[in-house]
Amino acid sequence: DGGITQSPKYLFRKEGQNVTLSCEQNLNHDAMYWYRQDPGQGLRLIYYSQIVNDFQKGDIAEGYSVSREKKESFPLTVTSAQKNPTAFYLCASSTGSGSDTQYFGPGTRLTVL
Amino acid sequence: RKEVEQDPGPFNVPEGATVAFNCTYSNSASQSFFWYRQDCRKEPKLLMSVYSSGNEDGRFTAQLNRASQYISLLIRDSKLSDSATYLCVVNSGLFRGTNAGKSTFGDGTTLTVKP
Repeated sequence: DGGITQSPKYLFRKEGQNVTLSCEQNLNHDAMYWYRQDPGQGLRLIYYSQIVNDFQKGDIAEGYSVSREKKESFPLTVTSAQKNPTAFYLCASSTGSGSDTQYFGPGTRLTVL
Repeated sequence: RKEVEQDPGPFNVPEGATVAFNCTYSNSASQSFFWYRQDCRKEPKLLMSVYSSGNEDGRFTAQLNRASQYISLLIRDSKLSDSATYLCVVNSGLFRGTNAGKSTFGDGTTLTVKP
């Protein structure tokens, strides 16, 4: 089945620790995105990547880092510099054309203890 | 002012009712428009794209008014299974010269359909 997978589904982190969220897609999409969603709010863009070995900051990139070494994979690291990391993290992909549809993975719910 | 604004909701309607959601956007250069559905604690899923000519998919009808910069979603004959949060999404075209589209999401409108 083609789609986007994210792991883990739930993640607990102690303050001061870095954690990495996985996102993999087998849709042969060029573009990939990371969003954050807080309760009762819409999605906010953290980082996006249009092509392998290239990525750009979104609207709320501070405290996060990404890599895009393979077309299929776009992992997100939440660093200790992120002041309020508890949230629902969603990865998406698209073909990469200017106005195309984004398809989402099932999300990772991160809680900082 | 937010780039994309939706009806605050929540909407609580009986089964069989017709309900309409509106969404306004501020960027007149926006190129494409979508409605997504998001169930509680799940990822958003594409419901339908929105075109100037309007489009219909079963009980769902979406309309775009470029002159007034708003998008609407009409749900007829509501079902219990329609209960969800509906997200308006506006794609503003190119990211700073790249080919990737920048999508801005509204905060969503929550619909509860009751028996």
